[in-house]
Amino acid sequence: DGGITQSPKYLFRKEGQNVTLSCEQNLNHDAMYWYRQDPGQGLRLIYYSQIVNDFQKGDIAEGYSVSREKKESFPLTVTSAQKNPTAFYLCASRPGLGNYEQYFGPGTRLTVT
Amino acid sequence: QKEVEQNSGPLSVPEGAIASLNCTYSDRGSQSFFWYRQYSGKSPELIMSIYSNGDKEDGRFTAQLNKASQYVSLLIRDSQPSDSATYLCAVNPWQAGTALIFGKGTTLSVSS
Repeated sequence: DGGITQSPKYLFRKEGQNVTLSCEQNLNHDAMYWYRQDPGQGLRLIYYSQIVNDFQKGDIAEGYSVSREKKESFPLTVTSAQKNPTAFYLCASRPGLGNYEQYFGPGTRLTVT
Repeated sequence: QKEVEQNSGPLSVPEGAIASLNCTYSDRGSQSFFWYRQYSGKSPELIMSIYSNGDKEDGRFTAQLNKASQYVSLLIRDSQPSDSATYLCAVNPWQAGTALIFGKGTTLSVSS
């Protein structure tokens, strides 16, 4: 089955700990994205990557880091510098070259206490 | 600041009625427009894409685009309780790379 997987579905961490969220796709999509969604808020772009070994900051990149070592994988690390990390994190991918349709993974709900 | 605006709702319609969801965008050069459906606690699902002025129909869904008015809408005919969800409008602004700008969504409630 082709698709985007995110793991884990729920994640609980203590304040001050870094945590890495996984995103994998087997759709052979070129571009991948990380969004954050808070209650009553729209989707806010954290980071995106259009090709391997390259990524760009989105609107709210502070306190987050990413890597894109493989086309299939785009992990997101939420660092202790992120002041309000509790949120629903969504990974998306896009086929590339003029096709702007984005497809989302199931999401990871992160709770930091 | 490129923006996408939607009424937050809730928009309430009876089963079988037509639901009309609206979205305006600020970047006149935008080229691609999308509607996503998001059920509570789930991730967004792409339901419609539209790229040129006019109407695009897919089953019970019709997307309408008017670039001159910077307006895109989604009509849902014969609304069903299973259509109850939040609908997100997304736009790819001109020269924004590949990132989409999302509206905050309109919550639709269909009563049986």
